[in-house]
Amino acid sequence: AQSVSQHNHHVILSEAASLELGCNYSYGGTVNLFWYVQYPGQHLQLLLKYFSGDPLVKGIKGFEAEFIKSKFSFNLRKPSVQWSDTAEYFCAVQGNNDMRFGAGTRLTVKP
Amino acid sequence: DAGITQSPRYKITETGRQVTLMCHQTWSHSYMFWYRQDLGHGLRLIYYSAAADITDKGEVPDGYVVSRSKTENFPLTLESATRSQTSVYFCASSELRLDTQYFGPGTRLTVL
Repeated sequence: AQSVSQHNHHVILSEAASLELGCNYSYGGTVNLFWYVQYPGQHLQLLLKYFSGDPLVKGIKGFEAEFIKSKFSFNLRKPSVQWSDTAEYFCAVQGNNDMRFGAGTRLTVKP
Repeated sequence: DAGITQSPRYKITETGRQVTLMCHQTWSHSYMFWYRQDLGHGLRLIYYSAAADITDKGEVPDGYVVSRSKTENFPLTLESATRSQTSVYFCASSELRLDTQYFGPGTRLTVL
């Protein structure tokens, strides 16, 4: 079964700083990749997804992610974060089995 | 468009009691899933269902029972709750097995 690793448990940034959250997975076959966001007290919402095609995927709220197959990575980026981006971010991978989630990265953006 | 609803949103129970968490979706998605969310573990799959009357185990099924008599409902039952089942439970649905999953608001369960 696939596994997902998110390198940062807690990231603290000031507003307007750039963001990159790491996500690596272990699975040798074709994968679907996702980033979900969970705002405080809310349910998971889809930020962006990659199924095939252009490895640079753009999502909502100015987020993007790049799939690098050779590195088994799907890092999330945003050029300038806002206070409202404070949330927990989950990377998820679908292989031939179920969706597996990373442990999550908590992002705190200081105003 | 209600999407996915879960009830109750909060539940406190005692060890040994039976608890049922409800999940209802309005999209007629074939697949439905139950996850538990614990600090440091992200979300882990408990059970999923491909259609009415078809269910299968996920990563952490022990201590849980599911049923799916109707496409739109997917209840999760803890037959004899334990403290280790204190968690936040999320229900999700998708049209296909390997597809985007849409999540409900979650149920925070505390077992004393």
